[in-house]
Amino acid sequence: SQTIHQWPATLVQPVGSPLSLECTVEGTSNPNLYWYRQAAGRGLQLLFYSVGIGQISSEVPQNLSASRPQDRQFILSSKKLLLSDSGFYLCAWTVAGTANEKLFFGSGTQLSVL
Amino acid sequence: AQSVTQPDIHITVSEGASLELRCNYSYGATPYLFWYVQSPGQGLQLLLKYFSGDTLVQGIKGFEAEFKRSQSSFNLRKPSVHWSDAAEYFCAVGERAGSYQLTFGKGTKLSVIP
Repeated sequence: SQTIHQWPATLVQPVGSPLSLECTVEGTSNPNLYWYRQAAGRGLQLLFYSVGIGQISSEVPQNLSASRPQDRQFILSSKKLLLSDSGFYLCAWTVAGTANEKLFFGSGTQLSVL
Repeated sequence: AQSVTQPDIHITVSEGASLELRCNYSYGATPYLFWYVQSPGQGLQLLLKYFSGDTLVQGIKGFEAEFKRSQSSFNLRKPSVHWSDAAEYFCAVGERAGSYQLTFGKGTKLSVIP
């Protein structure tokens, strides 16, 4: 069966520090991968999605970047965190070719930037 | 661009009572509609989805939703709520199959009184 791993579960970082969140999927090949952010009192916002290795699409201009160095690995990064980067970050995947038909979410990373 | 409104931020119901969570969307064509549930500190899980056909869709955990084009609504219902249903519920709309962009509502938090 397919599983998605996301870590760390919680993270507290100072303003200006770098960020790296990692997400891996097991049990499937060539998944579509997504990074969402859930800020307090707001819905989920799609940040990035990827349909293949090295292919990244950004939905919202921001202080973050994403990379997909391997088929089932998706990394969210920042060189210098801002206070506004605080939030709950969710990685998700869908079966190749199905786009948004069913998203499978990881358990999320709660990021607090102080 | 599509948008989703969940008018109720927080709803409290008694265990065994019926439940209806409201969702209104804005989109020019036939939308693809979803309901996701998020338990505290967890990722989201798909409850049900509507793409076409029968406007009353059945989902997991005893939930159902009805698509009403005339009202631009996709309300989630359950005849008898269980304490384990306490969670946050998100309605989402996608513009077409193959689109990687889902627009989520801000969510409705459900509390269940024993």
